[in-house]
Amino acid sequence: AQKVTQAQTEISVVEKEDVTLDCVYETRDTTYYLFWYKQPPSGELVFLIRRNSFDEQNEISGRYSWNFQKSTSSFNFTITASQVVDSAVYFCALSEAIAAGNKLTFGGGTRVLVKP
Amino acid sequence: GAVVSQHPSWVICKSGTSVKIECRSLDFQATTMFWYRQFPKQSLMLMATSNEGSKATYEQGVEKDKFLINHASLTLSTLTVTSAHPEDSSFYICSARDMREALLDTQYFGPGTRLTVL
Repeated sequence: AQKVTQAQTEISVVEKEDVTLDCVYETRDTTYYLFWYKQPPSGELVFLIRRNSFDEQNEISGRYSWNFQKSTSSFNFTITASQVVDSAVYFCALSEAIAAGNKLTFGGGTRVLVKP
Repeated sequence: GAVVSQHPSWVICKSGTSVKIECRSLDFQATTMFWYRQFPKQSLMLMATSNEGSKATYEQGVEKDKFLINHASLTLSTLTVTSAHPEDSSFYICSARDMREALLDTQYFGPGTRLTVL
């Protein structure tokens, strides 16, 4: 069975600080996808990134960057120079191969509070 | 692109009544949609997988007679909470997979529906 663990339940930072969100996953599949979603106070989940299990390249998108380490089953997310608008709950999720029905397994979420 | 809408965004109903929630993919077609439930300060819990033209697949512990799902077209899935009770009060979120991205597996989420049963 697949499992996603986000050990940090809440992180509070001051604006312009960097913040790193940890995500550790468990799966028996060799083919899988990892995702990060943002859930602002409005409630809608916003897709941030998808990474497949065969692509271990790190990725940067503006102030966001992701570090995929297959050896440690981790997919960490860093927000650089945080802003108040980054305040939200961030979910890491795992989807196994198509045969598994494409179900997403979510981590418990990490609430990020960026103070001005 | 990849916009999913839900209607209504919030609803208050009396105990014993039924409530229908609609989930629409606005700019893509979705053979598969998913329904989740989220309690305050908790993660999303998958309730069921909705497949266009066939019966939904429910997760263990979810009552199929209580939560009726209909996926009648490639852009619309509905969730009906039948004989709602206060314990059904929750935030219901749907998601849809773009059938053109079937191999990429990304789910796009609707804005959610907050249900309050009095």
